[in-house]
Amino acid sequence: GQNIDQPTEMTATEGAIVQINCTYQTSGFNGLFWYQQHAGEAPTFLSYNVLDGLEEKGRFSSFLSRSKGYSYLLLKELQMKDSASYLCAVKGSWGKLQFGAGTQVVVTP
Amino acid sequence: DAMVIQNPRYQVTQFGKPVTLSCSQTLNHNVMYWYQQKSSQAPKLLFHYYDKDFNNEADTPDNFQSRRPNTSFCFLDIRSPGLGDAAMYLCATSRDQETGGLGTQYFGPGTRLTVL
Repeated sequence: GQNIDQPTEMTATEGAIVQINCTYQTSGFNGLFWYQQHAGEAPTFLSYNVLDGLEEKGRFSSFLSRSKGYSYLLLKELQMKDSASYLCAVKGSWGKLQFGAGTQVVVTP
Repeated sequence: DAMVIQNPRYQVTQFGKPVTLSCSQTLNHNVMYWYQQKSSQAPKLLFHYYDKDFNNEADTPDNFQSRRPNTSFCFLDIRSPGLGDAAMYLCATSRDQETGGLGTQYFGPGTRLTVL
């Protein structure tokens, strides 16, 4: 079957680092995407990984291990505005994205 | 700015009364998607258009239909909304051939549907 797992919620303090893990089992793999979604808003694209390794984009980094079916999103120097849901999504056949349920990150002062 | 636009942002309809949600894009992307997202759940793909070719997901109810009259516009028609259809409906677009295959999906702001 197809499955994408990520933690439901994580809490961290402003300025800290948080790592959101995502494990997946899907039929077909053409990349893994991370999206940020604030409450009541549309998902916005953060990063994608096609090959194994780390992709860094400012305060956000994403890592992929295809052999382990594992990715993580690293958020550094957390800011209050980073409080949001973070969605892991795997691109399978025909470019279709299968989303995880999202990890709600709560940033506290 | 190139973008994905959805109208209306909020839609209230009555049980069983047909409703149409619209999506337009200025990105000139050839693929358009409709997702349904319920509270605290993952977006669920309903269908997508690859150019003019319509691709329905196997578990999308017949109650949901879509039209794409041209590259820029795509509509979601709900023929007889039920209480269980209350959700956020997200439109997304992508360009084929980007990043070695079908590309990054860009989402519109969504339409929140309430069914009374």
